[in-house]
Amino acid sequence: EVQLLESGGGLVQPGGSLRLSCAASGFAFSTYAMIWVRQAPGKGLEWVSLISSNGGNTYYADSLKGRFTISRDNSKNTLFLQMNSLRAEDTAIYYCAKTTGNAFDVWGPGTMVTVSS
Amino acid sequence: SYELTQPPSVSVSPGQTASITCSGDKLGDKYACWYQQKPGQSPVLVIYQDSTRPSGIPERFSGSNSGNTATLTISGTQAMDEADYYCQAWDSSSVVFGGGTKLTVL
Repeated sequence: EVQLLESGGGLVQPGGSLRLSCAASGFAFSTYAMIWVRQAPGKGLEWVSLISSNGGNTYYADSLKGRFTISRDNSKNTLFLQMNSLRAEDTAIYYCAKTTGNAFDVWGPGTMVTVSS
Repeated sequence: SYELTQPPSVSVSPGQTASITCSGDKLGDKYACWYQQKPGQSPVLVIYQDSTRPSGIPERFSGSNSGNTATLTISGTQAMDEADYYCQAWDSSSVVFGGGTKLTVL
């Protein structure tokens, strides 16, 4: 079964850091680009970042550049999102998703990140 | 930056046809896709490449894209289709989501 499972969320103080992980199984992880998408409470979906299949190319939403870093370990079938200088407005559920052509066909259940003092 | 605009809400009676629009500059020149999200659940891809249904998505879901507007159509809408729907496209190397439409079946 194709599956994604995020972890690493939690409560963090403003200015703090978190590293999210996304464990993939059931498909050839190293051959697919992957993304992170977030959803603030009661709000819509917001694209965060994308990484190519081999990790050589990374892309970020303009509002996040410089604070978040996407990476992957294809030997461990795992996607990461390093989040620094966190702000209250970063509070959201963070989803990882697998690409299929121009769309995203498999999503994890998400991990909640709360930035609050 | 590129924007996709959706109506905040659409209402439909059971068994009728629901249409949800997504507008963006020259959207018809890009591929549009659609996601369904029910409360407390992750998004589910229901249409990709404008009009293709992934395996397991009912035939009542269809899509089109031309000019500046992509449309998700749900024929014979059922109560289980009540959800938030998001369109999505690419602009250069950025992923863009619409603001979402809450579909109410009543």
